[in-house]
Amino acid sequence: SQQGEEDPQALSIQEGENATMNCSYKTSINNLQWYRQNSGRGLVHLILIRSNEREKHSGRLRVTLDTSKKSSSLLITASRAADTASYFCATDERGDKLIFGTGTRLQVFP
Amino acid sequence: ETGVTQSPTHLIKTRGQQVTLRCSSQSGHNTVSWYQQALGQGPQFIFQYYREEENGRGNFPPRFSGLQFPNYSSELNVNALELDDSALYLCASSYRDRDGYTFGSGTRLTVV
Repeated sequence: SQQGEEDPQALSIQEGENATMNCSYKTSINNLQWYRQNSGRGLVHLILIRSNEREKHSGRLRVTLDTSKKSSSLLITASRAADTASYFCATDERGDKLIFGTGTRLQVFP
Repeated sequence: ETGVTQSPTHLIKTRGQQVTLRCSSQSGHNTVSWYQQALGQGPQFIFQYYREEENGRGNFPPRFSGLQFPNYSSELNVNALELDDSALYLCASSYRDRDGYTFGSGTRLTVV
């Protein structure tokens, strides 16, 4: 079963624009992670935010977490064509598994 | 980019057969997890191994089994293959209680 639901399911933007993806989940978590997947291959870990954190930055990425609303958002600033991929949020409840959302397919046009 | 290696990259098997997928974890990682990803879906947790012991299992039948070896490499075995087992199988390793997982590139299994 899926824990998280990403919104939107698909997003198309021009290079240089910002992309925002949202994730909602259902249970209490230890941390929430975002991953990128290119063309159905392996996932690349982008960023982890713990339940006691509200915001985290990594390069052009900004992640927020609202545990009261059980939601998170991933912002990619100044997007590039190379950012084209599927993005997944994944929740970690007890450190023994990740539960993934359904993903957002991002298309960045040059 | 990744220290996790999976083999083979692609595999075609016939319904009812058995398959073994292999994963070589990133050096020093003592935890390995396996995920199944159907087309257009997010990955689904199969099971996790920590120091060669199963440490959690998802909603998969017993015909999905695994092993972790002392060098932290791992195997996923699937018996009595069904058509719905066709998917991308991902291996992920991590340090226990540390940040994030490193995923392999996956094995694309097709059952015909």
